[in-house]
Amino acid sequence: EIVMTQSPATLSVSPGERATLSCTASQSVSTKLAWYQQKPGQAPRLLIYDASTRATGIPARFSGSGSGTEFTLTISSLQSEDFAVFYCQQYNNWPPLTFGGGTKVEIK
Amino acid sequence: QVQLVESGGGVVQPGRSLRLSCAASGFTFSSYAMHWVRQAPAKGLEWVAVIWHDGSRQYYADSVKGRFTISRDSSKNTLYLQMDSLRAEDTALYYCGRAPPHCSGGGCGDYWGQGTLVTVSS
Repeated sequence: EIVMTQSPATLSVSPGERATLSCTASQSVSTKLAWYQQKPGQAPRLLIYDASTRATGIPARFSGSGSGTEFTLTISSLQSEDFAVFYCQQYNNWPPLTFGGGTKVEIK
Repeated sequence: QVQLVESGGGVVQPGRSLRLSCAASGFTFSSYAMHWVRQAPAKGLEWVAVIWHDGSRQYYADSVKGRFTISRDSSKNTLYLQMDSLRAEDTALYYCGRAPPHCSGGGCGDYWGQGTLVTVSS
């Protein structure tokens, strides 16, 4: 099973600033990586798939990069509605699908 | 618009069974693989099971293998999760999700329901 590790656990950012979230896989997942956003009381929302492709309707301020074992989600200028928990998930070697533990982006 | 609505959750004693349903609308249900994912209280996401678009294959997390069964009825546009021999550690919010083909044949979820809460407690 591929283990996904996210860092930091919590990121404090001011509105308008850039946020950079990291995700590391225990072995290569090529570019088979997705990012999700989850707000309190809501279902996960797919942001990025194939490491860098934005899902339908996702604003351009969200971007993904990386391949192999190291991945990054960047939010270029945080808006008030962006504060949430973000999860990465690999689908290169599945089942099982595996998620990272999440990064909470909070208002500084 | 795509809608997924879960139901069937509740409070159940350890060792008992429960069946969750996920009613799908707004897309051709029979064309998509479907997932169940769960989230224990104040915890992260855990994948539970997937079923192929035609029901031909099902895969499970080790934590539920042999106890849970995923199935679907395309005539009713409904996904199911039969949960037997429930344990306290199965307590979670259970989400169903649609698996788009562009994620390596369905390895991600592009739409998710709002979830149904399962509490296993004596």
